[in-house]
Amino acid sequence: KAGVTQTPRYLIKTRGQQVTLSCSPISGHRSVSWYQQTPGQGLQFLFEYFSETQRNKGNFPGRFSGRQFSNSRSEMNVSTLELGDSALYLCASSLTATSNYNEQFFGPGTRLTVL
Amino acid sequence: GENVEQHPSTLSVQEGDSAVIKCTYSDSASNYFPWYKQELGKRPQLIIDIRSNVGEKKDQRIAVTLNKTAKHFSLHITETQPEDSAVYFCAASSGGQNFVFGPGTRLSVLP
Repeated sequence: KAGVTQTPRYLIKTRGQQVTLSCSPISGHRSVSWYQQTPGQGLQFLFEYFSETQRNKGNFPGRFSGRQFSNSRSEMNVSTLELGDSALYLCASSLTATSNYNEQFFGPGTRLTVL
Repeated sequence: GENVEQHPSTLSVQEGDSAVIKCTYSDSASNYFPWYKQELGKRPQLIIDIRSNVGEKKDQRIAVTLNKTAKHFSLHITETQPEDSAVYFCAASSGGQNFVFGPGTRLSVLP
């Protein structure tokens, strides 16, 4: 079974631009979570989607948004990029969001650099 | 909201020795505590997890203990090997897939 995939793997943008990242979960997984990983802040939860609905949201500004499609694939969008948005963006999928006993499987991440 | 602290931030041990990483959490509603290992340039991978109805869990050289009263849980690695060198993250969740991660511990196993 294929693992979680993320595209693109690397991205360079300039301040003020917007970016869209994509995540394809493991087949059959319906929950997708997004995290921002930086050396200074560690792994921070952005949001989680299940059945095309955002179920949980972390403490990030409205410039960060996401969505999930009927096939469980998810995208996250960052508008008006700032230098501080440079980070590794990880998505993780799990079987269901109805129980917190489900293991999260992480994708390889998208490394975003904002110049 | 939940806050997870993790100590130490860096840890160096001699090959064959044991390593212990400790995490504390603030939300008494948290009931699931996974540990992830992230090697350089790779994705985090779950190595062990524990539910709030269990005090200890072991998987070969890795064990996790949970003290709900004190709100802390620990990762124990015995007979460390060079391939154990990585960053380890603890996390806590009170439901759904909203995990709060600790800041990580960089473990170096010296030959």
